[in-house]
Amino acid sequence: EVQLVESGGGLVQPGGSLRLSCVGSGFRFNDFWMTWVRQTPGKRLEWVANIDRDGSDKYYVDSVKGRFTISRDNAKNSLYLQMDSLRADDTAVYYCVRDRYTLGFWGQGTLVTVSS
Amino acid sequence: QSVLTQPPSASGTPGQRVTISCSGSSSNIGSNTVNWYQHLRGTAPKHIIHANSQRPSGVPDRFSGSKSGTSASLAISGLQSEDEADYYCATYDDRVNGVVFGGGTKLTVL
Repeated sequence: EVQLVESGGGLVQPGGSLRLSCVGSGFRFNDFWMTWVRQTPGKRLEWVANIDRDGSDKYYVDSVKGRFTISRDNAKNSLYLQMDSLRADDTAVYYCVRDRYTLGFWGQGTLVTVSS
Repeated sequence: QSVLTQPPSASGTPGQRVTISCSGSSSNIGSNTVNWYQHLRGTAPKHIIHANSQRPSGVPDRFSGSKSGTSASLAISGLQSEDEADYYCATYDDRVNGVVFGGGTKLTVL
């Protein structure tokens, strides 16, 4: 059974940093692109970033470019999202998702709240 | 503002058929396949349609999808109370190298 488990969310002040982690199981992690998607308080879904199988290709939505960094460690079946210079509009539930196009499996999400 | 346009709400009574539309442009729906996701509150979003009309294993055949040009739709026939959820369309957008989503449609079973 495919499982994705996120961690690392929490309350952070504007301008602060957080690092999200996701551990995958039940599939060959290094066979798949991985993606971060977030859901805003208004329930809007937004693609944040994706990364190819060996971590060499990465893409970001414009609003996080230069502030967020996606990475992975295939030896640990893990995906990461380093989030710096956080802003109030980054407040969301962040989901770790398998695949680049289909987004076939989602984790339960981890809540990030940016507030003073 | 979401890239793809969906109606914010839809409703139907048990046993009815409802459809949810999704409108995009030539750079997204017009050139890529469409996926649909069901999101029940407190759970992970679930992928119910991919490649416009394909159902993953375990998804009832009451759910069907279609695409024409720069628009797509999700149809749910034989509506059941457990279908009450938020539904999102999505597709790849070549301009951003990432997935774009609709704003979501809240389906209410009356």
